[in-house]
Amino acid sequence: GAGVSQTPSNKVTEKGKYVELRCDPISGHTALYWYRQSLGQGPEFLIYFQGTGAADDSGLPNDRFFAVRPEGSVSTLKIQRTERGDSAVYLCASSLGIGGQNIQYFGAGTRLSVL
Amino acid sequence: EDQVTQSPEALRLQEGESSSLNCSYTVSGLRGLFWYRQDPGKGPEFLFTLYSAGEEKEKERLKATLTKKESFLHITAPKPEDSATYLCAVLSFGNEKLTFGTGTRLTIIP
Repeated sequence: GAGVSQTPSNKVTEKGKYVELRCDPISGHTALYWYRQSLGQGPEFLIYFQGTGAADDSGLPNDRFFAVRPEGSVSTLKIQRTERGDSAVYLCASSLGIGGQNIQYFGAGTRLSVL
Repeated sequence: EDQVTQSPEALRLQEGESSSLNCSYTVSGLRGLFWYRQDPGKGPEFLFTLYSAGEEKEKERLKATLTKKESFLHITAPKPEDSATYLCAVLSFGNEKLTFGTGTRLTIIP
């Protein structure tokens, strides 16, 4: 596609529910990143994939958060037992690969609201 | 741990009034410094990457410069459409994650 695509654009859920957020990277980009942005803050790193494997998941806040990229393209961020503090914009980015310039291009994000 | 501090938090300028945004950083080894623009409800849009002290890059009314401790985003004769939040981020050797500052919210008044 022309850019990074994220669905849904908005997600409202109740505390304790399970949610899945989807990211479709730019065609040909092998690296994929998830960030979280709270109001008035810059994006904070969660996890990145090179191909199908999670190369660095050091930013995941706890074991309720999990992400997969089974075929090396689309990725899903999964959040179990959601809490009100999980409310934020979840941003996905992709790049041609790791190393070198590694310019990351971002999607529009999914705004998650946990009631 | 990489750190990025941006100032000011917010800046209001009259149309045509030039100014600069600051990004101070601390990294173990700078691989690249990135400037992004973010409009409300949208994701960050890539503007520039700078790799070494003394480097400069320009795009329309924007010019980014880099020293060993900070980067400046100079905006010349801004227009209302330049209103946005400008984010600075660093990439250090040994990892692939961007560390962002909190951004400068720029408003250009017609």
